[in-house]
Amino acid sequence: GNSVTQMEGPVTLSEEAFLTINCTYTATGYPSLFWYVQYPGEGLQLLLKATKADDKGSNKGFEATYRKETTSFHLEKGSVQVSDSAVYFCALRSGGGADGLTFGKGTHLIIQP
Amino acid sequence: DVKVTQSSRYLVKRTGEKVFLECVQDMDHENMFWYRQDPGLGLRLIYFSYDVKMKEKGDIPEGYSVSREKKERFSLILESASTNQTSMYLCASSHTETQYFGPGTRLLVL
Repeated sequence: GNSVTQMEGPVTLSEEAFLTINCTYTATGYPSLFWYVQYPGEGLQLLLKATKADDKGSNKGFEATYRKETTSFHLEKGSVQVSDSAVYFCALRSGGGADGLTFGKGTHLIIQP
Repeated sequence: DVKVTQSSRYLVKRTGEKVFLECVQDMDHENMFWYRQDPGLGLRLIYFSYDVKMKEKGDIPEGYSVSREKKERFSLILESASTNQTSMYLCASSHTETQYFGPGTRLLVL
């Protein structure tokens, strides 16, 4: 079956540090890959996505590249801000139609000023 | 903007009660989903629906049922609530592969 593995944290960084959150997956076929973010007290918001190998998703300074050869979709940001503190979820969708997402367990990111 | 709303942000129920969690979306999406979110487990899919009156089991359907009588509304039903159903419940909707989430309902079963 499908699965997503990501570092769980918490990950604590200082403001302006470089961020990497690792995500690897197991899936049948050619999944679409997503990063969602959950700010305190809120639901999940789509941060970025990639639908095929070598695609790069980007948004709000975050980037992730779909690497089929290493089955990875690592999230990166060059300079984090306190406002980036949140829980980040890596997810995949491998089916067509209305199939649900398979999520990782989430990574709690804490940015200190 | 897509808006997904859930009927309650917080809910406290007693063991054995029948519980209804309601979700409404305003973008005419065909697909709707219910997940539960637990610390250390991430989000897990309970049920989803790809059309009115259609439903499919997700990864953890036991103890739950759903209803979709109208396109915009998807209800999650706990027939007889148990303490292990204490969790955060998230509803989502989609037209294509991107899912849009509601704010969640935090359910406590005593």
